[in-house]
Amino acid sequence: NAGVTQTPKFQVLKTGQSMTLQCAQDMNHEYMSWYRQDPGMGLRLIHYSVGAGITDQGEVPNGYNVSRSTTEDFPLRLLSAAPSQTSVYFCASSYADRVINEQFFGPGTRLTVL
Amino acid sequence: GEDVEQSLFLSVREGDSSVINCTYTDSSSTYLYWYKQEPGAGLQLLTYIFSNMDMKQDQRLTVLLNKKDKHLSLRIADTQTGDSAIYFCAERAGGYQKVTFGTGTKLQVIP
Repeated sequence: NAGVTQTPKFQVLKTGQSMTLQCAQDMNHEYMSWYRQDPGMGLRLIHYSVGAGITDQGEVPNGYNVSRSTTEDFPLRLLSAAPSQTSVYFCASSYADRVINEQFFGPGTRLTVL
Repeated sequence: GEDVEQSLFLSVREGDSSVINCTYTDSSSTYLYWYKQEPGAGLQLLTYIFSNMDMKQDQRLTVLLNKKDKHLSLRIADTQTGDSAIYFCAERAGGYQKVTFGTGTKLQVIP
């Protein structure tokens, strides 16, 4: 199993550009989520999905879009990048029906917006 | 809403014990977790504790939960240089999507 994969690992954008961060998992997990990690602020939930065709907003959804057309993939779209979106982005997945609910994280995408 | 607080930094000498502390606000928390993030990597689950437990031991790791004070701690015995990482406390209250992470504590182990 590859686990949770994310591409790209690094990205530099100019203000106003759009891009898609890719996330895929091969564990047949129902639940997938996107977090951003900023110094001193921990992980903040952007969007999450409980299954194909179902998405919902997390704590900091503004400026981001998601879709879940398959169980495996959960891309995150930045519509018009802003310097405030400079961050490290993590995708995570887990089963929906397990007691412990361990989340499996991808290696992250480090995004810089100039 | 939920809030999870941790100190940002801890430095210990190799061989000593490390204690990383966490406080949370949601009294309905059902599960509490410790995740470890090594440099340049994503988070990995280290251990967890149910809210009806006071303590859990797993090899060099001891988790203590004081539910009255909403305080969680992670003790690492005989700390090694490989333990250098950022440690995140997280709480889950209600549905599986409601996991709130703390700010993370960076543990530096001095040889």
